Amino acid sequence: EAGVAQSPRYKIIEKRQSVAFWCNPISGHATLYWYQQILGQGPKLLIQFQNNGVVDDSQLPKDRFSAERLKGVDSTLKIQPAKLEDSAVYLCASTRQMNTEAFFGQGTRLTVV
Amino acid sequence: GQNIDQPTEMTATEGAIVQINCTYQTSGFNGLFWYQQHAGEAPTFLSYNVLDGLEEKGRFSSFLSRSKGYSYLLLKELQMKDSASYLCATTHPGNTGKLIFGQGTTLQVKP
Repeated sequence: EAGVAQSPRYKIIEKRQSVAFWCNPISGHATLYWYQQILGQGPKLLIQFQNNGVVDDSQLPKDRFSAERLKGVDSTLKIQPAKLEDSAVYLCASTRQMNTEAFFGQGTRLTVV
Repeated sequence: GQNIDQPTEMTATEGAIVQINCTYQTSGFNGLFWYQQHAGEAPTFLSYNVLDGLEEKGRFSSFLSRSKGYSYLLLKELQMKDSASYLCATTHPGNTGKLIFGQGTTLQVKP
């Protein structure tokens, strides 16, 4: 089966600019996650969707980050305006059901200068 | 809250055995995952333990002791391609889909 697709792979922007990332999960996977991985750290969950509803966004900086999964399939994560500390890899993952193996995309490496 | 600790770096020799430890403190427990992540790539699933004991899968094994809040990943017959970061993760007690990751252990395999 096709894996989790993400784009772009790399993005460099200046601080205060906006950026958007796209994710297409594995077909049939109802649960979709966005994780932020800062260099040298483990991934941290930003937001979790079950179909098109938000399950957990407790660690999403809502003043600048937003995410949507309108039709319960693809998802976009947006940052506006970006800060230097947002430099990280943004990983999308999906699971068939909760508490099962998560499949990760290759991530988008964001550099904010 | 949840706290996961694992060593930052380890070095081992090709052909040898290495054990990567992970300790966790959590208010609830629904299972422990190990993921492998090569530099610049996505994490890939290695193992999942929910009951005490050892789970063996080829050259990789994972052990869990729930009473001690302890797990380890055992890699046998190390190969150069095993050089990667190994991430230990537990599930959030109130949300079994949410993974709480440790910082990862970077393993370097030397010839």
